[in-house]
Amino acid sequence: DSGVTQTPKHLITATGQRVTLRCSPRSGDLSVYWYQQSLDQGLQFLIQYYNGEERAKGNILERFSAQQFPDLHSELNLSSLELGDSALYFCASTNSDSPLHFGNGTRLTVT
Amino acid sequence: AQSVTQPDIHITVSEGASLELRCNYSYGATPYLFWYVQSPGQGLQLLLKYFSGDTLVQGIKGFEAEFKRSQSSFNLRKPSVHWSDAAEYFCAVGTTSGTYKYIFGTGTGLKVLA
Repeated sequence: DSGVTQTPKHLITATGQRVTLRCSPRSGDLSVYWYQQSLDQGLQFLIQYYNGEERAKGNILERFSAQQFPDLHSELNLSSLELGDSALYFCASTNSDSPLHFGNGTRLTVT
Repeated sequence: AQSVTQPDIHITVSEGASLELRCNYSYGATPYLFWYVQSPGQGLQLLLKYFSGDTLVQGIKGFEAEFKRSQSSFNLRKPSVHWSDAAEYFCAVGTTSGTYKYIFGTGTGLKVLA
């Protein structure tokens, strides 16, 4: 158990809809990373937060947004969903330069 | 630009055989290096990490990796593979300057034959 909790585990929704994925980092970790994993794109870095502030952006679409709250949990919001957004979404947390610890992911299916 | 290359998309080995998964990186300084394993439907689990010091690092589940600066490599090895090792393996680099980033390779899928 990595200590990183992601909810929900599975999400099925229709095109055009909006969903929110939630992540609780390991106790003591200030930094949260979001990744998207799909069969054809591999593990793609989306965005990083550190202690509530956005630190780095990767290949995140404008339709996607995220935030980290004062209690350090993070949410990834995906809107105007398209079929191609179907993927596994992972959250990972770390403290400074320690390794990333991953949650078990949220599997999003857009129909 | 920093990058990580895992040249083998898939590898098949027999149970009990030795294993080596290749990883090459491109980074101007000494990076932090990691290997992760992902079982189907699961998150990525850290196998081992290299930050500094001894270039041969031991990890969980009997895995080890060797950092070779001259070859920009961090290959993962296991002397005797078990059927339960079948999974996807990811090499990753952690950059140590500027905004701290983690760069992942595309993964190597391991199949183990009984």
